[in-house]
Parts: sequence; C-alpha cells; structure tokens
Amino acid sequence: EAGVAQSPRYKIIEKRQSVAFWCNPISGHATLYWYQQILGQGPKLLIQFQNNGVVDDSQLPKDRFSAERLKGVDSTLKIQPAKLEDSAVYLCASSLAGGSETQYFGPGTRLLVL
Amino acid sequence: AQKVTQAQTEISVVEKEDVTLDCVYETRDTTYYLFWYKQPPSGELVFLIRRNSFDEQNEISGRYSWNFQKSTSSFNFTITASQVVDSAVYFCALTRPGFQKLVFGTGTRLLVSP
Repeated sequence: EAGVAQSPRYKIIEKRQSVAFWCNPISGHATLYWYQQILGQGPKLLIQFQNNGVVDDSQLPKDRFSAERLKGVDSTLKIQPAKLEDSAVYLCASSLAGGSETQYFGPGTRLLVL
Repeated sequence: AQKVTQAQTEISVVEKEDVTLDCVYETRDTTYYLFWYKQPPSGELVFLIRRNSFDEQNEISGRYSWNFQKSTSSFNFTITASQVVDSAVYFCALTRPGFQKLVFGTGTRLLVSP
C-alpha cells in the first residue's frame, strides 16, 4: 500500500515570495492533516480536513496561509507571502477517520525562507 | 488543555545498551489515546504504537516495549539492546476521541553509537 506522498521535498525561497506544497494521502483515508514542524519542536497542527471540509484550522495563520482539498483526495497548502519564521518542515498526514485514528505521515517538505 | 512533556532532550547510548524514553501527559479527559512516533534523519514520522486510556497493559514488540501508568500519567518507551538504526528523534503524542488534533511533545533525540 502506498504511503502519503508529498512534493516538493525541499524548497528555498526569498521572503515575500509565495510557495505551494502538495499532498496525496493514503488511498481511502478520509482525514488529511497539515502540520508545521519548526526545528527542535514537535509538529503543530495547521489544518485538518474531513473529506473536503475543514474540521480545524484554528492554528492556521489565515492572513498568509491557505489550504484546500478539492474532491476530498489530494491537498495543497500555500503560503503567500512567506516570512522568515515560516522556515520549517511541513508534514502531511492522513487517517481513515478523524480524532483517535492513527495518523500516517508523509516525508515532509523542508522550506527555507531567506 | 492537553499537554505532553518529554523532559529528555537528548540521550546518548552505546549499541546494545537498554534505553528508556520518558513521556508524561496532562489531560482532563477520561478517554484519550497515546502514541509514539519515530522520526529518523530522513524526516518522515513513523508510527510505532497507539494505546487507549482503558488499556493499561504493557506492550512488547520485538526490542520495543511500552509502560503505560495512569497513576503517574506516564507512557514510557524502552528499547532493549539498542542498535545504531534506532538513532532518531522520538515523539510522544496525545489525542482524544472525535475530530481532535494530535498534541506532540518536544521529542527526545536518541543517539546510538557503535
């Protein structure tokens, strides 16, 4: 069974530029999550989708971050404009359902904002 | 609010030593779920175990074992006869039923030298 796919794996941009990340969850998984992991910290949830609806986006900086999950399958996360403090690893995860179901993570996208 | 504390920032051991990673959690819920994930240098979070609050039985999987004690709000992880491939950052995480996010600790970096 294929795991969670993410692209790109690495991205370097300058501040104020925009960037987008893509995630394809495990087939059949209804719930998709985007986490931000700053160096030396645990992952922090940015947004959670159940099918194509948003369940939790309370920690998403909505003035610059946006995410969508069209057709309830793959998802994109966008940052516009990027700031230096957005440098982090962006992890996508999926689970069969939400809440206590095990979340399976992709390899992540390492973003460096200069 | 839920919180996970991993007080050990970094642990260094020599191959074949046993090592225990501590995890202390805080929650007001009677039903909750605890997880351990491994993050090798490649960056992907690898699921190790999921345990619900009603199951206090210790679990063993090969060289890995977990000790869940509700009385002390701890869910510790022991690696027996450590190997170089065990070198990684290990995260403990907590969630509750329903569409709730995973709350991660700050992780413990394990270095196993030959």
